[in-house]
Amino acid sequence: GQQVMQIPQYQHVQEGEDFTTYCNSSTTLSNIQWYKQRPGGHPVFLIQLVKSGEVKKQKRLTFQFGEAKKNSSLHITATQTTDVGTYFCAGSYSGNTPLVFGKGTRLSVIA
Amino acid sequence: DAGVIQSPRHEVTEMGQEVTLRCKPISGHDYLFWYRQTMMRGLELLIYFNNNVPIDDSGMPEDRFSAKMPNASFSTLKIQPSEPRDSAVYFCASILVRGFNLGNTEAFFGQGTRLTVV
Repeated sequence: GQQVMQIPQYQHVQEGEDFTTYCNSSTTLSNIQWYKQRPGGHPVFLIQLVKSGEVKKQKRLTFQFGEAKKNSSLHITATQTTDVGTYFCAGSYSGNTPLVFGKGTRLSVIA
Repeated sequence: DAGVIQSPRHEVTEMGQEVTLRCKPISGHDYLFWYRQTMMRGLELLIYFNNNVPIDDSGMPEDRFSAKMPNASFSTLKIQPSEPRDSAVYFCASILVRGFNLGNTEAFFGQGTRLTVV
């Protein structure tokens, strides 16, 4: 089946360092969403990207969708302890199919 | 709205027992999804419903798993008999789809049920 590959699986950073997680698909995506799951919590929607080459920002978070709509990234500038959690990308291969979730990147921030 | 409500939050059961997980989607949402989350496999889609009708259950791992949605405000996921390898966090999510954009809509997750089968 279709898969969305996400790397790295884990990332440990010092507070204040930057963090990036990447998602890749072998086939073109219709759109991609990003979710955050705090430890012990549930996935919470962050953002959706639809257009080729799209870039969106939410404060210290920058989301990009590749030109070929096969990859995406989430970059956090100057991480804080509140950024701790697992970040998931979720892609859709057509408008009428459910999201396919990546396995997530677990971020630890050391104060 | 209170969001997607799942019960119980935690369930510990013995191998061979029947387990029933419950979900109340957000009122008015027309799609409901059941996911299983493990460290090894991440978030796996088990089954989803549209207007209470099961659409795709290809993610259900075995016949021991079954899901129902008797009405728009309630769904169950049943495991009978349960096995230790079923231990995981089970999430229910609901969405409101506008037109045909099933994959283009924000999913709202419940708090999850942490199942431990011993």
